Order: sequence, then C-alpha cells, then structure tokens
Amino acid sequence: KAGVTQTPRYLIKTRGQQVTLSCSPISGHRSVSWYQQTPGQGLQFLFEYFSETQRNKGNFPGRFSGRQFSNSRSEMNVSTLELGDSALYLCASSLLMGGQYGYTFGSGTRLTVV
Amino acid sequence: QKEVEQNSGPLSVPEGAIASLNCTYSDRGSQSFFWYRQYSGKSPELIMSIYSNGDKEDGRFTAQLNKASQYVSLLIRDSQPSDSATYLCAVNFGNEKLTFGTGTRLTIIP
Repeated sequence: KAGVTQTPRYLIKTRGQQVTLSCSPISGHRSVSWYQQTPGQGLQFLFEYFSETQRNKGNFPGRFSGRQFSNSRSEMNVSTLELGDSALYLCASSLLMGGQYGYTFGSGTRLTVV
Repeated sequence: QKEVEQNSGPLSVPEGAIASLNCTYSDRGSQSFFWYRQYSGKSPELIMSIYSNGDKEDGRFTAQLNKASQYVSLLIRDSQPSDSATYLCAVNFGNEKLTFGTGTRLTIIP
C-alpha cells in the first residue's frame, strides 16, 4: 500500500517568488493536512482539507493557501516567499477528518528561500 | 489556546534502561493522544495512540494516559541506540486538527 507522497523533496527559491507543493494521500484517505516544521517553532498547523473543502486553518498569513482535488490530492501554494518561509513542509493524510485516529505523514518538502 | 507541553531535553538514557517521556496538555476534554517518533532529517512516524485512561502496551513501548491530570507519557523498555530520535506528543482537542508539542530529543547511550 503506497504511503503519502510529497513532491518535490527539495526546493530552492528566491525571495519574492511563489512555490507550489504537492501531496498525494494514502489511497482511500480523504483528509489532507499541512504542517510547517522549523527548528524554533516545531510543527505548526497550516490547514486541513476534507472532500475538497478547507475545514480548518492555522495562524498563517494569506500568502499560504491550498486546495484539494476530487481525487483527494492536495496542493499548497506560498506566494511572495520570505526568508522565514524556509522550512520542512509536511503533508499528512487520514481516513477521517480531524486527526481523531492520527495522521500518516509524507516525507516532506524541504523549502529553502534565499 | 490549546497547548501541548513537552520537556525538550535532551534526555540521555543508557542502553537497556527504561526511557520515560512526558507530555501535558491544556484541555481536559481532549479525546485522542498520540506519540510520534522523528529521526533527524525524516518525517514523523506514528508509534502509539491512546484514547482512554490507563496503560497501552505495544512491544517495548507503553503509553500511559491520565485525563484527570492532563498528562500522557511514553515508556520505552530495553532502550536501543535505534530509539535515539525526537519524540513528539500530539493531542486532538476536537477542533479538527492535531496539536503537537515541540518534542523531546532522546539519546540512547551504548
């Protein structure tokens, strides 16, 4: 059974650019959540999608956005990149909404903004 | 604000000993509790979940939950060098996401 797939694994971008990250959940999982992980802040919740609808959103600026497609695949977009956006971005999928039974994480996308 | 607190460590434990990791959380109404292990440079991996008061054992791992004290712990028996990692406590506060602690870095000394 395939796990959660995130692409790309590594990305280097310049300040001011935008970036799109992709996540394919485990087959049958309809919930996809996104987290940002930095050494100083730990895992910070970005948003959760279920059945193509954003169900919950964390405290991030509007530059961070996402969407979910009918096949449950999800993308997140960061516009006007800042140096502080350098982080590991993790996608997690679950069968049900809300993480009541835990998440399975993908390998992450390491974003470096220079 | 719903919070999950962990001692950041590092926690050093001799090989073969019991490692004890602790976590407290802010909302007495929380229902779901999880422990994740994260190796350096890797993504978090779910190792234990617990939903009711008491102990839950899985191999060398035991999760303990005390809802009245708002406290969840993870015990690792017969610690091995391969257990060296950061351990993340996560709580579902019922508000449609998992909230994570900042993690405890565990080092097993051979």
